[in-house]
Amino acid sequence: GAVVSQHPSWVICKSGTSVKIECRSLDFQATTMFWYRQFPKQSLMLMATSNEGSKATYEQGVEKDKFLINHASLTLSTLTVTSAHPEDSSFYICSARDRARSPNTEAFFGQGTRLTVV
Amino acid sequence: AQKVTQAQTEISVVEKEDVTLDCVYETRDTTYYLFWYKQPPSGELVFLIRRNSFDEQNEISGRYSWNFQKSTSSFNFTITASQVVDSAVYFCALLNTGNQFYFGTGTSLTVIP
Repeated sequence: GAVVSQHPSWVICKSGTSVKIECRSLDFQATTMFWYRQFPKQSLMLMATSNEGSKATYEQGVEKDKFLINHASLTLSTLTVTSAHPEDSSFYICSARDRARSPNTEAFFGQGTRLTVV
Repeated sequence: AQKVTQAQTEISVVEKEDVTLDCVYETRDTTYYLFWYKQPPSGELVFLIRRNSFDEQNEISGRYSWNFQKSTSSFNFTITASQVVDSAVYFCALLNTGNQFYFGTGTSLTVIP
């Protein structure tokens, strides 16, 4: 099956610093990757859709200047939380679609990154 | 509007009992896909099943079975002879024609040994 690797699995950072989270599709090419945020005991909320070679599409209410997304290749998307604050502490999950699969409906999820801002 | 409702927030069962997790969805799309994912305490989402809107056949995979009924817009998930390792949060999700996922709020299942 398709594997999506997310790094790091967890990170603790100081308030005001920036944190970068990587999402890689290991054995397939993903033209589209998605970034979700999950608060404790809540569902996944889509933050943005990342398309290779173009700007990400952000969901309403998500600050694009705070959550920088870069999708520079078909196998890598990064999410950078800039000037992190304690309220940014959350579980961030990425997913990717295999461009070669038909129908292209399955999304494969990374293992998630638990961010704690102190 | 798309919406996925998992009315059961938390369920506890004793090991070896059967348990059904409910999922009700709303969509105006005629073509859509329904999914179930398992999220163990470690956090990753494990894909369990995908169903397209034109396939109402029920499916069984080992101890897992799914009942898809378009008439009631439901896609319920049953675990038979539950085991402690089944303890996790289970998410039902809908993928619409716009290729967007809509997740339910999840059902936390605890299987007591």
